[in-house]
Amino acid sequence: GENVEQHPSTLSVQEGDSAVIKCTYSDSASNYFPWYKQELGKGPQLIIDIRSNVGEKKDQRIAVTLNKTAKHFSLHITETQPEDSAVYFCAAYSGGYQKVTFGTGTKLQVIP
Amino acid sequence: EAGVTQSPTHLIKTRGQQATLRCSPISGHTSVYWYQQALGLGLQFLLWYDEGEERNRGNFPPRFSGRQFPNYSSELNVNALELEDSALYLCASSRSSSGPYEQYFGPGTRLTVT
Repeated sequence: GENVEQHPSTLSVQEGDSAVIKCTYSDSASNYFPWYKQELGKGPQLIIDIRSNVGEKKDQRIAVTLNKTAKHFSLHITETQPEDSAVYFCAAYSGGYQKVTFGTGTKLQVIP
Repeated sequence: EAGVTQSPTHLIKTRGQQATLRCSPISGHTSVYWYQQALGLGLQFLLWYDEGEERNRGNFPPRFSGRQFPNYSSELNVNALELEDSALYLCASSRSSSGPYEQYFGPGTRLTVT
């Protein structure tokens, strides 16, 4: 089955700096890679996603890059703000197995 | 547009009992996914329902089951509760029938087994 590794597990940045979270996956058939933000006491919120036929996608301060050859994808947050503080999860969906596998999460703290 | 709703918010059961959790998807979404998020762990895929059919299940024992109703709402049942079933149970819905593309999560049901 699919295995998704996520690093780092915790990340502290100063307000205004950039944050990068990386995930690697094992199943070369995985074709969809979403990122979720989970705030305390809430369900995960989809913030950006990318499909395997695209190398990069941006949405304002958030971007995701995908390297299919190396089987890794990354979340980039620029100009971080205190409200970006949350736990971020990556995921990979394998159409072959019809299962979505999540990373173990990164707790991001943005220091004002 | 209303988001995914789940009930109850909290549920306390004793070991050996049964728990029933409910989920209403976003209007127009036909796929419903269930996940377990145990304390300190990531999300584990439990079940996927689409158009009333179970499409796939994760690595959980058969005492975890569910169904999807004609209005696309869904129910998760956990029989013979064990202490390690204590977790946040999340429901998500998606418009796509071919996978969890653009899935949106509800706030979850916190199940505590004592």
